[in-house]
Amino acid sequence: EPEVTQTPSHQVTQMGQEVILRCVPISNHLYFYWYRQILGQKVEFLVSFYNNEISEKSEIFDDQFSVERPDGSNFTLKIRSTKLEDSAMYFCARGDPRSGNTIYFGEGSWLTVV
Amino acid sequence: ELKVEQNPLFLSMQEGKNYTIYCNYSTTSDRLYWYRQDPGKSLESLFVLLSNGAVKQEGRLMASLDTKARLSTLHITAAVHDLSATYFCAVPGSGNTGKLIFGQGTTLQVKP
Repeated sequence: EPEVTQTPSHQVTQMGQEVILRCVPISNHLYFYWYRQILGQKVEFLVSFYNNEISEKSEIFDDQFSVERPDGSNFTLKIRSTKLEDSAMYFCARGDPRSGNTIYFGEGSWLTVV
Repeated sequence: ELKVEQNPLFLSMQEGKNYTIYCNYSTTSDRLYWYRQDPGKSLESLFVLLSNGAVKQEGRLMASLDTKARLSTLHITAAVHDLSATYFCAVPGSGNTGKLIFGQGTTLQVKP
């Protein structure tokens, strides 16, 4: 059973369209993250989110991106106006960095921008 | 800026052989993560190494951490085809926000 469930598993969108990727943790947690992986490349950090606020974001996470946890359960990543280079696998993750436990990754949402 | 480098990036080996994947990182860290990724799939956690000298083993995989050398190794013993995958190491960024910086990944191909 996955620690984190992501939807959609695959989305194809037109360039310039808005996309929302969703993440649902199996149980209540405070630390969430979004990462992306362009095909064949390494995994890149986008943003960390603690207690309903962004705690750190990368250079990739520009004004086109936003995250929120609107209902205390779902955790979303919004890309306002998609570009071709946003095509990638987006992973949601959760885990307390202060603990000795791992960071768990979701199954991923594959975004294709055409 | 923290950099994490793995080598080799690609490894083709025969079943039954042993090999080691190396992960170097550029700034101080007392913990390191290893993940496995099958093509098109998620990242599966293999090990979390929490201190200098930490060694963990699971089946044919053994990981170790030397924080003074800023080096972790993932040793594969008597490889089998099922171990074919891409292996990533990851190091926490500064600030304790949970951010992980990943290496480039090592793609392992085990041939029968």
